[in-house]
Amino acid sequence: DVKVTQSSRYLVKRTGEKVFLECVQDMDHENMFWYRQDPGLGLRLIYFSYDVKMKEKGDIPEGYSVSREKKERFSLILESASTNQTSMYLCASSLPPGMRTEAFFGQGTRLTVV
Amino acid sequence: EDQVTQSPEALRLQEGESSSLNCSYTVSGLRGLFWYRQDPGKGPEFLFTLYSAGEEKEKERLKATLTKKESFLHITAPKPEDSATYLCAVQAGEGGGADGLTFGKGTHLIIQP
Repeated sequence: DVKVTQSSRYLVKRTGEKVFLECVQDMDHENMFWYRQDPGLGLRLIYFSYDVKMKEKGDIPEGYSVSREKKERFSLILESASTNQTSMYLCASSLPPGMRTEAFFGQGTRLTVV
Repeated sequence: EDQVTQSPEALRLQEGESSSLNCSYTVSGLRGLFWYRQDPGKGPEFLFTLYSAGEEKEKERLKATLTKKESFLHITAPKPEDSATYLCAVQAGEGGGADGLTFGKGTHLIIQP
């Protein structure tokens, strides 16, 4: 079974802190994604990566950055956390483009910024 | 811009009462349509992928169908454990990029014993 593991289920951070959310997948997937999920807004794509050291902005990249130094690991960075970044963050992975396939999700990290 | 609309937003059924959830979409070049189940506080769990109009997939009490404009998730004789939020997503575009999925807002399904 595909496994996507996010480093924390719950996080509480202070405004202005630098926050790292880590995600690891064990299926050798080329593609990795970060989404946030908010009530009434659904899932929105923040960033994605289709290869090591490659990244592309999604629909809402402002206030976020990402890092992919190894194929299996994709990190989301909040440079200076703000209260409007309180949300559920979801990491996903999938096979490369050109192969029509589903994305598998981690269990989510619920981040609260106070 | 790709759009995915799910209806109804919420649905309450009695155990054994069959129904359907709708997902209508507007995309430029559909590569795939996906159904996920999400339990409270957890990540989405993959259910089905549909690639072309006329395609159908089944799993236990769930059956997904696809037309050129919409997809249905049919639930036959549901049980309380089928209660969850069901998400529809599309992967679109004709380029080779690793485009993310565009999600609908989901249908919150409650099955009462």
